[in-house]
Amino acid sequence: KQEVTQIPAALSVPEGENLVLNCSFTDSAIYNLQWFRQDPGKGLTSLLLIQSSQREQTSGRLNASLDKSSGRSTLYIAASQPGDSATYLCAVNSGAGSYQLTFGKGTKLSVIP
Amino acid sequence: GAGVSQSPSNKVTEKGKDVELRCDPISGHTALYWYRQRLGQGLEFLIYFQGNSAPDKSGLPSDRFSAERTGESVSTLTIQRTQQEDSAVYLCASSLQGSTRNTIYFGEGSWLTVV
Repeated sequence: KQEVTQIPAALSVPEGENLVLNCSFTDSAIYNLQWFRQDPGKGLTSLLLIQSSQREQTSGRLNASLDKSSGRSTLYIAASQPGDSATYLCAVNSGAGSYQLTFGKGTKLSVIP
Repeated sequence: GAGVSQSPSNKVTEKGKDVELRCDPISGHTALYWYRQRLGQGLEFLIYFQGNSAPDKSGLPSDRFSAERTGESVSTLTIQRTQQEDSAVYLCASSLQGSTRNTIYFGEGSWLTVV
């Protein structure tokens, strides 16, 4: 059974710092991996989708990498801003006819002005 | 619509009552998903629809839970005889197709509290 772990559970950084969020998964046979952002009382917003054949994806100040063989992904946020404060969730799709996403519990990020 | 819409946004119900949660996916999205998020926990998959059919309902926790979709659009998640452990945020999502290549879009959720 696929399990997704995100470390740390919470992170606080001063504004302007670059930071890395980590995600690991137990079964490397994945079809893709997505990073989401969740704001309090809100739904999830998809940030980046990495297919299993890709190594990284970039969107603005965000860069996500995928090392499928080692079961790891990182989300790099450059020049953090207070508006980046949210919970970041990692989710994997293990395919094989299933469309389920398996989620980690998230990393709660606070960017201090 | 512009995004996935869910109603009600909040629902408080007494233990033993039935509840219905509604989801309006993004227009044209054939794939629709329901997830549940309990306090302090990760999201749990409940059910996946492709069109009006549910090829994967493996995440429904018990026979008290059911879901349907009509017109390849609106979906309703029904919980019968609610229990306190059903308290959670129920999130609906949709994607253009049921393909692993498509980005999935979530609604803001229906917050259910069973007292």
